Amino acid sequence: DSGVTQTPKHLITATGQRVTLRCSPRSGDLSVYWYQQSLDQGLQFLIQYYNGEERAKGNILERFSAQQFPDLHSELNLSSLELGDSALYFCASSVGTYTGELFFGEGSRLTVL
Amino acid sequence: EDQVTQSPEALRLQEGESSSLNCSYTVSGLRGLFWYRQDPGKGPEFLFTLYSAGEEKEKERLKATLTKKESFLHITAPKPEDSATYLCAVLIQGAQKLVFGQGTRLTINP
Repeated sequence: DSGVTQTPKHLITATGQRVTLRCSPRSGDLSVYWYQQSLDQGLQFLIQYYNGEERAKGNILERFSAQQFPDLHSELNLSSLELGDSALYFCASSVGTYTGELFFGEGSRLTVL
Repeated sequence: EDQVTQSPEALRLQEGESSSLNCSYTVSGLRGLFWYRQDPGKGPEFLFTLYSAGEEKEKERLKATLTKKESFLHITAPKPEDSATYLCAVLIQGAQKLVFGQGTRLTINP
């Protein structure tokens, strides 16, 4: 158990809909990262927050947004969903902000029908 | 463009048969190289950090090494429980993001 909690574990929705994925980092970790993993693209970095502020941005679509709240949990919002958004979405956390030692949650599997 | 390439894509070994996985990288500046293990349906689990050429790290049957252009994950006398996908990632100097390779899917047959 990494200590990172993600909800929901599975989500099935329709095209055009909006969903919110939630992540609670390990106790004491200030950084939260979001990654998307699909079969053809591998693990793709979306966005990072450190203590409530956005620190780095990857290939995150404009239809996606995220935030980190004062209690350090984070939410990833995905809107106007398309079939191609079906993937595993992982949250990870770390103590610092410039590190490759991340602790990943078990992921949220999103299926868009 | 920063790139991380892992080979082979998949590897099937017999229990006890040692081998190596490769991770080659082309980046503007390497801050660190990281190995992760991922079991099906789970999140990646951190294994090793390597910072400079010549560095080695060991954990049980796994040993990671680093050169200026690639890293190897050596697995000695593997067991079926070592079956997993092994991911390599690089942290690029000046950029706060971790770039992952596509992974090597390792299967150890009893």
